[in-house]
Amino acid sequence: AQSVTQLGSHVSVSEGALVLLRCNYSSSVPPYLFWYVQYPNQGLQLLLKYTTGATLVKGINGFEAEFKKSETSFHLTKPSAHMSDAAEYFCAVSDRAGNTGKLIFGQGTTLQVKP
Amino acid sequence: DAGVIQSPRHEVTEMGQEVTLRCKPISGHNSLFWYRQTMMRGLELLIYFNNNVPIDDSGMPEDRFSAKMPNASFSTLKIQPSEPRDSAVYFCASSFGPQGGSDEQFFGPGTRLTVL
Repeated sequence: AQSVTQLGSHVSVSEGALVLLRCNYSSSVPPYLFWYVQYPNQGLQLLLKYTTGATLVKGINGFEAEFKKSETSFHLTKPSAHMSDAAEYFCAVSDRAGNTGKLIFGQGTTLQVKP
Repeated sequence: DAGVIQSPRHEVTEMGQEVTLRCKPISGHNSLFWYRQTMMRGLELLIYFNNNVPIDDSGMPEDRFSAKMPNASFSTLKIQPSEPRDSAVYFCASSFGPQGGSDEQFFGPGTRLTVL
């Protein structure tokens, strides 16, 4: 069965600092990989996804993530945090073999950005 | 496009009452998903539909929960009878579908349910 682990339920950075949110997955076959963001009192919004090809994926708002098969990881980064980045971030996987679109989410990481 | 529409946005009810949550997916999308979000359990997939047909309802907690999709533009999630432990935010999401597992899901704003 697939699973997703996000290391760190809360991450705090200063404005302008590097953002690193960690995600590891467990799956017999590398799945489709996603990062979603949830702003307060809103639904989730896709930041980026990895399906195939280049392992470094660029998303919206300056975020990017790198798929590392050997480490079963898909960590999310942003070179310079902005106050507006404060939100909850979810890593998710979808079964590539079943191709159903069913997403399994990690527990989420709350990003706090300090002025 | 208005995005995924959910109603009501907030619902407060008493234990034992029937609750119906509604969702209108994005026009042209053929997959629809219902999720529940709580502090304790995070985001859980309850059920999803493809072309209005329920594909996987293994996440539905128990028989008190039911979901329908009578047509491509409307779905309901019903809880009868409701219990305090059902208090959560319920999200509906839809996706275009042809790429299957790699499709982006578009989420509605959610319905915050409180059962007293």
